[in-house]
Amino acid sequence: AQSVTQLGSHVSVSEGALVLLRCNYSSSVPPYLFWYVQYPNQGLQLLLKYTSAATLVKGINGFEAEFKKSETSFHLTKPSAHMSDAAEYFCAVPPAYSGAGSYQLTFGKGTKLSVIP
Amino acid sequence: GAGVSQSPRYKVAKRGQDVALRCDPISGHVSLFWYQQALGQGPEFLTYFQNEAQLDKSGLPSDRFFAERPEGSVSTLKIQRTQQEDSAVYLCASSSLGPTDTQYFGPGTRLTVL
Repeated sequence: AQSVTQLGSHVSVSEGALVLLRCNYSSSVPPYLFWYVQYPNQGLQLLLKYTSAATLVKGINGFEAEFKKSETSFHLTKPSAHMSDAAEYFCAVPPAYSGAGSYQLTFGKGTKLSVIP
Repeated sequence: GAGVSQSPRYKVAKRGQDVALRCDPISGHVSLFWYQQALGQGPEFLTYFQNEAQLDKSGLPSDRFFAERPEGSVSTLKIQRTQQEDSAVYLCASSSLGPTDTQYFGPGTRLTVL
């Protein structure tokens, strides 16, 4: 079954600094990968989605992620952090194509991003 | 509708009480998912509907948890005889087609069991 690992439960960056949030997937190459953001007391909002059409995926709010098969990674980056980026970020992988009827997204444990003024 | 809505947003229950959580998916979305998010954790799958059919309920933690979507739109997650360990945020998500399409999430219901 597919799974994702997010390194670092908490990341702090200064305002204007580079944001790098790490996500590694396991098993075979997934056809899709997602990054979601969750602001306090809110549901999850889709940041971006990898669909194998392009390895570099641009999302909302200036975020992008690069799919690297050799590293089994899909790290999320933003060149310059803004105070409004403070939130929790989740990497997720869709159901495995095993035919076993597993339908759910599998989420990483999340990385909480703090932005220091 | 504009997005997935859930009600109530907050629910406090005494241990042993039954609760019902409602999800209104995006209009026309075929797939509907329920997830449970414990404090400081990522969402974990509970159950999945395709229209009115519950195709996967492997994530329901016990037989106290029950979900339905009788007309293929609104869904209700019911928890009987609530326990303290049921305290969590319950998220609903819908997608237009199958389970690999983008899932759109509601704001969640925060359940606190005293």
